[in-house]
Amino acid sequence: SQQGEEDPQALSIQEGENATMNCSYKTSINNLQWYRQNSGRGLVHLILIRSNEREKHSGRLRVTLDTSKKSSSLLITASRAADTASYFCATSSGGYQKVTFGTGTKLQVIP
Amino acid sequence: GAVVSQHPSRVICKSGTSVKIECRSLDFQATTMFWYRQFPKQSLMLMATSNEGSKATYEQGVEKDKFLINHASLTLSTLTVTSAHPEDSSFYICSAGTSGGATDTQYFGPGTRLTVL
Repeated sequence: SQQGEEDPQALSIQEGENATMNCSYKTSINNLQWYRQNSGRGLVHLILIRSNEREKHSGRLRVTLDTSKKSSSLLITASRAADTASYFCATSSGGYQKVTFGTGTKLQVIP
Repeated sequence: GAVVSQHPSRVICKSGTSVKIECRSLDFQATTMFWYRQFPKQSLMLMATSNEGSKATYEQGVEKDKFLINHASLTLSTLTVTSAHPEDSSFYICSAGTSGGATDTQYFGPGTRLTVL
């Protein structure tokens, strides 16, 4: 079953704007990861944030995690047309490597 | 970084035939591999967890006799879709985790698109 739900389901912005995607999950986690998927392609791992971390940065990406609200957000700053893709959050819990994916947000960045 | 490959990348087959998909970790040993299925415009759904040298663990609702998984070595896991039907058409993605059980990051393959006519 799906662990995470993301919103919005779809997001369309102009190049240069920031894009924010949110992910909510249901059970306790060890970590939360964000992935990108271009249409019909495999997954690209973007960033991992552990349950004891609140914020993490990687280039133009900023991820926050609020374990009390069981939610995370992914912010892409100064978006580019190449950022157009689907973005998924994925949670991992227990000592097991198994991850469970959210429903995804489809981002379109208009040049 | 760790690389995971899948073969084939795309396959079209007739209904009733069996299709084998390979997942390889190219530069690391993977004690555990995962198989996911993704229908169009949907998220990835975990099908099964493949452990080297032991039987795979299937998620609820996934038929183990239809989706045969073999993890014969630390670098190879195969998924065989037996007697494929059009409803099995999907994007199948594998991932691999490094040994030790403590690694958080999985490395994903590029996926295999299966079309059953």
